[in-house]
Amino acid sequence: QKEVEQDPGPLSVPEGAIVSLNCTYSNSAFQYFMWYRQYSRKGPELLMYTYSSGNKEDGRFTAQVDKSSKYISLFIRDSQPSDSATYLCAMRSHSGGGADGLTFGKGTHLIIQP
Amino acid sequence: DAGVIQSPRHEVTEMGQEVTLRCKPISGHNSLFWYRQTMMRGLELLIYFNNNVPIDDSGMPEDRFSAKMPNASFSTLKIQPSEPRDSAVYFCASRTHAGGASTDTQYFGPGTRLTVL
Repeated sequence: QKEVEQDPGPLSVPEGAIVSLNCTYSNSAFQYFMWYRQYSRKGPELLMYTYSSGNKEDGRFTAQVDKSSKYISLFIRDSQPSDSATYLCAMRSHSGGGADGLTFGKGTHLIIQP
Repeated sequence: DAGVIQSPRHEVTEMGQEVTLRCKPISGHNSLFWYRQTMMRGLELLIYFNNNVPIDDSGMPEDRFSAKMPNASFSTLKIQPSEPRDSAVYFCASRTHAGGASTDTQYFGPGTRLTVL
């Protein structure tokens, strides 16, 4: 079993819909959870960052973490065609050194239809 | 700020040849990461450096891969000899290393698309 599981999609929804993207993970040591957005032929860029369990909202985006279920979600409200991209979840454990590399899901390809 | 700079952007080579990928991190960042992205395996961490020192190279697939960071503004990833299964997009990322959650953002470069024939 991979450490992080993510449905690759593609997920196609009409403009204005609410989008739900999810990841599950197996390593209970993960404490920092991120969502990256990657446009075609570009590098990933950080979209949302959450520490431990709970919700975080930033504009149209909401990130949720449920550590008891080892499940994280990203919700996009009022989706726009410009949101069409691949969304990768990423996570890492805590360490005293601080700068651990990230473990990524494979990414979900999202298509917002105009 | 120019962001993370990678070169070349595209590389096509023949099996057995040496390949060198280059990365210039964002000025002031003291952690640097090399990742590889393929359709089959997704984005995988190969190695990372703190203050130019390699911290974790457990993701380097085999001895044909090596990485160096001679100074704070430059890193290389070398594959020798290259094989067709090394074909992938290689990303470099950098961040500040201060041990706190608020500095966890990694900034990715545009990637080098490597094709080994």
